Amino acid sequence: GQNIDQPTEMTATEGAIVQINCTYQTSGFNGLFWYQQHAGEAPTFLSYNVLDGLEEKGRFSSFLSRSKGYSYLLLKELQMKDSASYLCAVRGAGSYQLTFGKGTKLSVIP
Amino acid sequence: DADVTQTPRNRITKTGKRIMLECSQTKGHDRMYWYRQDPGLGLQLIYYSFDVKDINKGEISDGYSVSRQAQAKFSLSLESAIPNQTALYFCATSDRGGQPQHFGDGTRLSIL
Repeated sequence: GQNIDQPTEMTATEGAIVQINCTYQTSGFNGLFWYQQHAGEAPTFLSYNVLDGLEEKGRFSSFLSRSKGYSYLLLKELQMKDSASYLCAVRGAGSYQLTFGKGTKLSVIP
Repeated sequence: DADVTQTPRNRITKTGKRIMLECSQTKGHDRMYWYRQDPGLGLQLIYYSFDVKDINKGEISDGYSVSRQAQAKFSLSLESAIPNQTALYFCATSDRGGQPQHFGDGTRLSIL
């Protein structure tokens, strides 16, 4: 089975940098995804890591360490519109199913 | 127009009623999924389908059934709705590479 942990809530200031951590224990691993979800809306894809290291996409970066079962999402130059939940999801080996964490609700304050 | 369309967007119904939630997609993806989302519990997989002839149970399939009518259509049914099935339901699709999944706008279902 899969177990995914991420903080429930975080608060950060507009213009700052925030790091959202995700740890996982899985019976196999075939990729980790980050999604953004505004309240009452659909999750939207942010990033994908399957190999160790950092993937950068504009203000958003995601890091993976497979040996540690650890990932983080880094958001730079925070904007008010970044207030949302951020979902970490893991795909198991030989599977196309995703197991989602419970999400981290990020509040960006002025 | 949305690539993944769910209908209805909102539904209020009574315990014991049969409910069908529909999902259609124009992305040409083979794989389709149904999730439910409850506050504090994250997204949980109900059923998934890799093509029209392939249907699989997810982690919480009890009380639900699905039908893959065509590559582009995947319906979720609650045969006899109960209040603890009140939730936000999402349909998602992905290509054969499986990544990433694209979500519809969701159906908010309330069962009284």
